Amino acid sequence: EAGVTQFPSHSVIEKGQTVTLRCDPISGHDNLYWYRRVMGKEIKFLLHFVKESKQDESGMPNNRFLAERTGGTYSTLKVQPAELEDSGVYFCASSQIKGQGYTFGSGTRLTVV
Amino acid sequence: GENVEQHPSTLSVQEGDSAVIKCTYSDSASNYFPWYKQELGKRPQLIIDIRSNVGEKKDQRIAVTLNKTAKHFSLHITETQPEDSAVYFCAAITGGFKTIFGAGTRLFVKA
Repeated sequence: EAGVTQFPSHSVIEKGQTVTLRCDPISGHDNLYWYRRVMGKEIKFLLHFVKESKQDESGMPNNRFLAERTGGTYSTLKVQPAELEDSGVYFCASSQIKGQGYTFGSGTRLTVV
Repeated sequence: GENVEQHPSTLSVQEGDSAVIKCTYSDSASNYFPWYKQELGKRPQLIIDIRSNVGEKKDQRIAVTLNKTAKHFSLHITETQPEDSAVYFCAAITGGFKTIFGAGTRLFVKA
């Protein structure tokens, strides 16, 4: 079975630019999660999709972040405009059953300069 | 708010010794506690989990214990090996099905 796929694996952008991250969950996993890890800190929850619906977006830091999951398959996370503090590793995870152990993607390392 | 505290942040042990990582959680409605291992440059991977109706679970060299009253849970690795070196994250699934992670423990196993 293919795992959770994320791309790009790395992205370096200038402050003020836009970046879009993509996550392809495991086929059949209705639950898709976005998390972010800033250097040395915890893996912090951003939001949770169930199919195409946002179940919980309480972790989204501000309105510069926009997540979508059209059709309930892959998801995108857009940061516009990017700020320096947005740098970190963005993980996507999926699960078949809500709240159970996740399968993580390899993450996208975002560096805003 | 909901949070998970994890200690220590760094742990260095000699090969063959045991390693213990401890976590506490705040949401008393939490009922599922997974542990993830992240090797350098790789994705976090689920290594063991425990549910609130169980006090201890073991899988070969790793074990997890849970004290619901104290809201503590711990990861125990026995007979550590260099390949156990990684960052370990504890997590708690809250009553609202949100996973809250600890800040991670960087484990070094010295050969």
